[in-house]
Amino acid sequence: KNEVEQSPQNLTAQEGEFITINCSYSVGISALHWLQQHPGGGIVSLFMLSSGKKKHGRLIATINIQEKHSSLHITASHPRDSAVYICASNTGNQFYFGTGTSLTVIP
Amino acid sequence: GAVVSQHPSWVICKSGTSVKIECRSLDFQATTMFWYRQFPKQSLMLMATSNEGSKATYEQGVEKDKFLINHASLTLSTLTVTSAHPEDSSFYICSARDWPISYEQYFGPGTRLTVT
Repeated sequence: KNEVEQSPQNLTAQEGEFITINCSYSVGISALHWLQQHPGGGIVSLFMLSSGKKKHGRLIATINIQEKHSSLHITASHPRDSAVYICASNTGNQFYFGTGTSLTVIP
Repeated sequence: GAVVSQHPSWVICKSGTSVKIECRSLDFQATTMFWYRQFPKQSLMLMATSNEGSKATYEQGVEKDKFLINHASLTLSTLTVTSAHPEDSSFYICSARDWPISYEQYFGPGTRLTVT
């Protein structure tokens, strides 16, 4: 089983701040997913990474395969970024989910 | 991007009745679909994995006779909660991928089930 840990569990930031959410996993994987879940419950897939770095708008995701660690960064945070961010490790059809980071961005 | 829909988005049913939830991939072939449940303030818990045309593989502790999964086509999977009880009240989410062509996974918006 792949143990997936996220930190922090809860995060409150002022609008405009740079935010980092961390994810570590215990076993080598094929891909690492970052998901966003809004209060209504719907889940959006933000990134799928197998190496290096990806950027989409104000969101940046990085992964270090050797250290089994991934980070999600949000630049110039905005209240609409308030959500739960979940990382999930993936090998084949096996997924292991972190417990999520609840982010609140205050105007 | 690829879209996965779920229907209904919410449902209230009486204890003892059965409820069917549909999960559809709208613009890609979903060779593999996953069903999750999520309790308040908890992460996703995988219930089962289904491949089109095959029987679903259930996770340990999930009753396959209670949670019936059918994946009869490349765009549709259904989850039927049989003889629902209040403890089955939860948020049910499906996801789909075109495996092994792609690792990308696309999530449905979820279905909130309340059993009274």
